[in-house]
Amino acid sequence: ETGVTQTPRHLVMGMTNKKSLKCEQHLGHNAMYWYKQSAKKPLELMFVYNFKEQTENNSVPSRFSPECPNSSHLFLHLHTLQPEDSALYLCASSQGTSVMEQYFGPGTRLTVT
Amino acid sequence: GENVEQHPSTLSVQEGDSAVIKCTYSDSASNYFPWYKQELGKRPQLIIDIRSNVGEKKDQRIAVTLNKTAKHFSLHITETQPEDSAVYFCAASTPGGGFKTIFGAGTRLFVKA
Repeated sequence: ETGVTQTPRHLVMGMTNKKSLKCEQHLGHNAMYWYKQSAKKPLELMFVYNFKEQTENNSVPSRFSPECPNSSHLFLHLHTLQPEDSALYLCASSQGTSVMEQYFGPGTRLTVT
Repeated sequence: GENVEQHPSTLSVQEGDSAVIKCTYSDSASNYFPWYKQELGKRPQLIIDIRSNVGEKKDQRIAVTLNKTAKHFSLHITETQPEDSAVYFCAASTPGGGFKTIFGAGTRLFVKA
């Protein structure tokens, strides 16, 4: 796949585990986003990075920790999650300046047991 | 907080009929309104968008209208086909460091052959 890729595609973890989600965009974009998609709920914006700087943190619990080492890579570090954190986690990117269209990755289906 | 309301949550139409999905937003600073289509098990993909300086935009069978005064925008699909069946999300974006985007809850569209 080209564009925006995410790994892993599926993840099952216990509440005491530590894991990381990875997102990579090959579009030359400057902004990257993490969204949470739960059943029957709107897509929830979690974090926004523009030129590697975090510009939004939508009151996300500290058990989710983002990292953006450069404009092409975005990570979401997970620790001591709760079962209600089970969801599809989508990464997206956009040009970040005057072009706002967001391109989404395929998502990581996370199950917390 | 800011939000986007989307109606209906489910819409069933006969092939060839039109489908209309409506959204309202609360942040008057929003100036970009994309619509995404998400097929089962796939990522959301942009199908059409409109900026606040335009009242209507059309792309083949799909059109979007925007009423900034009333903070309403709508998606119109004409001559629906079974492959139009999917979940459709509206969103409202506010410019900033990375464009804060708030999504509606989604509309599940069924097109019956």
